[in-house]
Amino acid sequence: DTEVTQTPKHLVMGMTNKKSLKCEQHMGHRAMYWYKQKAKKPPELMFVYSYEKLSINESVPSRFSPECPNSSLLNLHLHALQPEDSALYLCASSPGQGAVEQYFGPGTRLTVT
Amino acid sequence: GQNIDQPTEMTATEGAIVQINCTYQTSGFNGLFWYQQHAGEAPTFLSYNVLDGLEEKGRFSSFLSRSKGYSYLLLKELQMKDSASYLCAVRDRSGDSSYKLIFGSGTRLLVRP
Repeated sequence: DTEVTQTPKHLVMGMTNKKSLKCEQHMGHRAMYWYKQKAKKPPELMFVYSYEKLSINESVPSRFSPECPNSSLLNLHLHALQPEDSALYLCASSPGQGAVEQYFGPGTRLTVT
Repeated sequence: GQNIDQPTEMTATEGAIVQINCTYQTSGFNGLFWYQQHAGEAPTFLSYNVLDGLEEKGRFSSFLSRSKGYSYLLLKELQMKDSASYLCAVRDRSGDSSYKLIFGSGTRLLVRP
């Protein structure tokens, strides 16, 4: 299994809602990542987890809250988002944080109304 | 600071060769990656260079010159399915030994018949 899965594929939420994005991999990878990608822009790193511990937070607003319950799962909890947070949210994993290749999931397209 | 530059768009003909250039400035360079991203899909890994020189992988080759802060991706025998965005990404190692992947804005390649 060389796949990173993400659910849901699409999400529409209001500014007062609380929702979560989920990411899963069964490749035994120990590093997992959240990226945000706006239309026609490159992915921007948000968070990195290494061995289930948060190792990088790129000064992301607290309305985004990551969680790594185990080595296969990565969540992104969303609360009180703004319309400008609408984007494609990509999850990725790699064998370790220093590994060469990151495997990306298909992403969750989020729309905040 | 960190800066990655690549052309915004390129057009080429099916069967031809195209070279996509990337220049970068970064403080903790630890490798350069090329990713392909079709519209609405996740990025997929194409190549990785950490030492100077050319890496060849089928129809795709990537070159790196660390002293010049320069890389290129060479695509041979272009096919229509090669129409996509090509993202240059630099792995940066910060002071606390954490690795980050920083993406350029991407080059949209259109392959015409």
